[in-house]
Amino acid sequence: DADVTQTPRNRITKTGKRIMLECSQTKGHDRMYWYRQDPGLGLRLIYYSFDVKDINKGEISDGYSVSRQAQAKFSLSLESAIPNQTALYFCATILPLNRGHRETQYFGPGTRLLVL
Amino acid sequence: GEDVEQSLFLSVREGDSSVINCTYTDSSSTYLYWYKQEPGAGLQLLTYIFSNMDMKQDQRLTVLLNKKDKHLSLRIADTQTGDSAIYFCAFLRGYQKVTFGIGTKLQVIP
Repeated sequence: DADVTQTPRNRITKTGKRIMLECSQTKGHDRMYWYRQDPGLGLRLIYYSFDVKDINKGEISDGYSVSRQAQAKFSLSLESAIPNQTALYFCATILPLNRGHRETQYFGPGTRLLVL
Repeated sequence: GEDVEQSLFLSVREGDSSVINCTYTDSSSTYLYWYKQEPGAGLQLLTYIFSNMDMKQDQRLTVLLNKKDKHLSLRIADTQTGDSAIYFCAFLRGYQKVTFGIGTKLQVIP
C-alpha cells in the first residue's frame, strides 16, 4: 500500500468552481504539506500542518484553503478555481526530528489539475 | 525557488558520470536532500546529507556539500537510461519547511 495517497489523480474543472483535493497517509506522521509544481518553478509550498489543530500558510496560499480533519488526512480546497491554478499538486508528509528517524518526506503521486 | 538555483538541463552518455549542481542562500539549512521525479510520478527521496557533513556516498550516488560556497552536488556514477528524470535539490529550513530548487532534467543518451 502507498504511504501517501491523493485523490483524484486527475481533474478538469471550470473557472469559478470549488474543488477539493484529498490526501491520506498511513505513516502516522504529524506533519503534512501541500505543494504545487509548475514547469520552471519547482515545487512551491501552499500550506502545511503540524497536527490536527495546526494550519500554516506557505509561500503561495492565496486562493487556497486546507483542512486537517485527522492526523492521517489533509485536504486542499480551491474555493473558486482560476486558470493559473492549473498545476500538478503534491501532498507530502515529514517525520519530526525528535523521533530519532532520518528526516525525510514522503510524497503522494500527485494530482494533475486543469482549470479551464 | 528563488533561494535555490539549479541548471535546467543536463545530457550525458550512458556509462558516464552525471553531476547535478545546486546553489543555495540559506546557510541555516540543516538537512539537504536530493529527490528524483520520473515522468508522471511523485518525488522520490534519493539521498540526503546533514549540514555538518561534507560528503556522503550511497552506492552510485555521491553527495558533496561545500558550505563555504553554499554548493551542493549530486554525482551519479555509471549513469543508466533509467536515471533519466528530473532531479530536485531541497533544503530543510528552520526545522519546518523544505525549499525546492526548480529541478534539473537529466537526459541519458544510450
